[in-house]
Amino acid sequence: EAQVTQNPRYLITVTGKKLTVTCSQNMNHEYMSWYRQDPGLGLRQIYYSMNVEVTDKGDVPEGYKVSRKEKRNFPLILESPSPNQTSLYFCASSPLRTDQPQHFGDGTRLSIL
Amino acid sequence: SQQGEEDPQALSIQEGENATMNCSYKTSINNLQWYRQNSGRGLVHLILIRSNEREKHSGRLRVTLDTSKKSSSLLITASRAADTASYFCATDAGGSYIPTFGRGTSLIVHP
Repeated sequence: EAQVTQNPRYLITVTGKKLTVTCSQNMNHEYMSWYRQDPGLGLRQIYYSMNVEVTDKGDVPEGYKVSRKEKRNFPLILESPSPNQTSLYFCASSPLRTDQPQHFGDGTRLSIL
Repeated sequence: SQQGEEDPQALSIQEGENATMNCSYKTSINNLQWYRQNSGRGLVHLILIRSNEREKHSGRLRVTLDTSKKSSSLLITASRAADTASYFCATDAGGSYIPTFGRGTSLIVHP
């Protein structure tokens, strides 16, 4: 089954404790992206990647890191999480074409205390 | 930056009624897509309309695109309680590979 898998689905942690949210897709997509979703603000892009070893900042990259060492994986790293990073996070992937839909994971709800 | 903006922000209707939501964007596009999000879940693709198309149908969904006005509308006919969700438009501004999403329209369909 074609899917984007995020882990964990839920995480409560404390300020400053490094965490990684994993994202994996099994569709051989070139494009992968991370979004955060906050009430009233819609989806805001954090980082994206157009292929292996190619990553770039989205609209809200501060406090986040990503890597793309393999085509299928695109982890999101919070080196020193802060409460303002409490949010719902989504990973998405697609072929590198504008006429193809984005496939989204089920989301990761992060709470930073 | 958010290219597409949906209107209204929230819509509440009765089952059986039609629901119309709109998306406006600022720069030229090649394609516009509509997505649906059930509460707290990932977005699911509904329909794509190309810039050279004016209307497209999929089941109870009807999407129109007016490139001269830089706007699109999504019509859900004969709505059901299960249509309750948020709906987002996404555009490829200037043909960019990077889709940009609006803030969404929250639709509530009362049984």
